[in-house]
Amino acid sequence: DTEVTQTPKHLVMGMTNKKSLKCEQHMGHRAMYWYKQKAKKPPELMFVYSYEKLSINESVPSRFSPECPNSSLLNLHLHALQPEDSALYLCASSQVGQFNQPQHFGDGTRLSIL
Amino acid sequence: DAKTTQPNSMESNEEEPVHLPCNHSTISGTDYIHWYRQLPSQGPEYVIHGLTSNVNNRMASLAIAEDRKSSTLILHRATLRDAAVYYCILISGGYQKVTFGTGTKLQVIP
Repeated sequence: DTEVTQTPKHLVMGMTNKKSLKCEQHMGHRAMYWYKQKAKKPPELMFVYSYEKLSINESVPSRFSPECPNSSLLNLHLHALQPEDSALYLCASSQVGQFNQPQHFGDGTRLSIL
Repeated sequence: DAKTTQPNSMESNEEEPVHLPCNHSTISGTDYIHWYRQLPSQGPEYVIHGLTSNVNNRMASLAIAEDRKSSTLILHRATLRDAAVYYCILISGGYQKVTFGTGTKLQVIP
């Protein structure tokens, strides 16, 4: 069982819908990440939060809006997505500033845009 | 950004050692080399990491070239459960660069 929990596991939405992905960890990690992974491709970093503040945005379109309401939760709000946004969205967490420490990944939310 | 290159796929017989290579010729002095693996329908799982010296843990060994431009993940006895995509990743200060390699799909033959 993974220590990073992502919900829902699957999500199908239309291009005009608004939905949110949720990620939760209770390991005391203060760095949290969103990645996007297309089929048969490596994960691509989207956002990094450090101490609940956004520290990195990898030029992600504004239709993706991250939020970190507390040290255990990370959300990704979705609005007006495009079919090409269909992918596996992975959340990860780690210690802050400890680049020799591993990232712990959830099993992802598989998103399909109709 | 520093990039890594890996073979697309490799095969190994069960209970044989496996050496998975990774090239990172543009690595910088602050880049840590991390290896993760990803099983189907799961998120990546940490395997091992290092900076300059070779490293061992219960899962694998990591051999880092003296010039740090390449590394090799060593699975001492491959099992069917080791069949996965293995990613070589460079992580540096501030997480300004998080670059996944292309990944190597390891097939383990019974």
